[in-house]
Amino acid sequence: GESVGLHLPTLSVQEGDNSIINCAYSNSASDYFIWYKQESGKGPQFIIDIRSNMDKRQGQRVTVLLNKTVKHLSLQIAATQPGDSAVYFCAETTNQGAQKLVFGQGTRLTINP
Amino acid sequence: EAGVAQSPRYKIIEKRQSVAFWCNPISGHATLYWYQQILGQGPKLLIQFQNNGVVDDSQLPKDRFSAERLKGVDSTLKIQPAKLEDSAVYLCASSWDRNIQYFGAGTRLSVL
Repeated sequence: GESVGLHLPTLSVQEGDNSIINCAYSNSASDYFIWYKQESGKGPQFIIDIRSNMDKRQGQRVTVLLNKTVKHLSLQIAATQPGDSAVYFCAETTNQGAQKLVFGQGTRLTINP
Repeated sequence: EAGVAQSPRYKIIEKRQSVAFWCNPISGHATLYWYQQILGQGPKLLIQFQNNGVVDDSQLPKDRFSAERLKGVDSTLKIQPAKLEDSAVYLCASSWDRNIQYFGAGTRLSVL
C-alpha cells in the first residue's frame, strides 16, 4: 500500500527514555525493510535495514524488529536524545523487478527535556 | 563522501508555469530516483533510472512531468505546466546496490 493520510502519528518521550516506533507494512512479498529519519528541511536519512530472513537487527542505539506473521516492523531507540526528534519512516521493497521503495506514513518523534 | 546534491532548494511559481529541478547523485551510484513528498506524507516514487535508462516510471504523470538522465550521472525533473497540487518537496535519491537509497535535501516547490 502507498503512504496515505495528512496527519502524522506522534510519539512524545522523555529524554533518556527508550522509544518504540511501529509500522505495519502491506505487501506480504516485501523482503527488505528500511527505517529512515527525516529532520525538518532535510531529506530522509538511512538509519537501519533488515531483510526478511531476520527478525532482529541491532545498530548503534537502534534495534529493528520484524514480525512477518503480522506484517509488523518496529524501531527501538535507546536512551533518546534531543537530536532524535524527527519524523521516522519505514519503507518496504522486494528484490524483484525495479525494487520500488514504498514508504509508510511516518511517525513524528518528539523528545521532551 | 559528498552526498546527493539538489538545486534549487526552494522554488515558487504560478500555476501553468514550468519548472525544472536538478540532481547530482553520489559518485558511482548507478541508480537514481525522483520522489514527490507531499506535506505530512511519506515520499512517493516518481521515476527510477538505472544508469541512463528508465526502470520504473509507472507513477510519473507523463502528461506534465518529464525526467532525463542523459549521461547516466546528473538528472533533471521538469513539470510543464504546473498545477496547484504539484506543491510538494521533490527528493532525489541514489543508490549503488538498489537497496539503501541516499537522499538529497530536496527542492520545496510552491505553486500559487
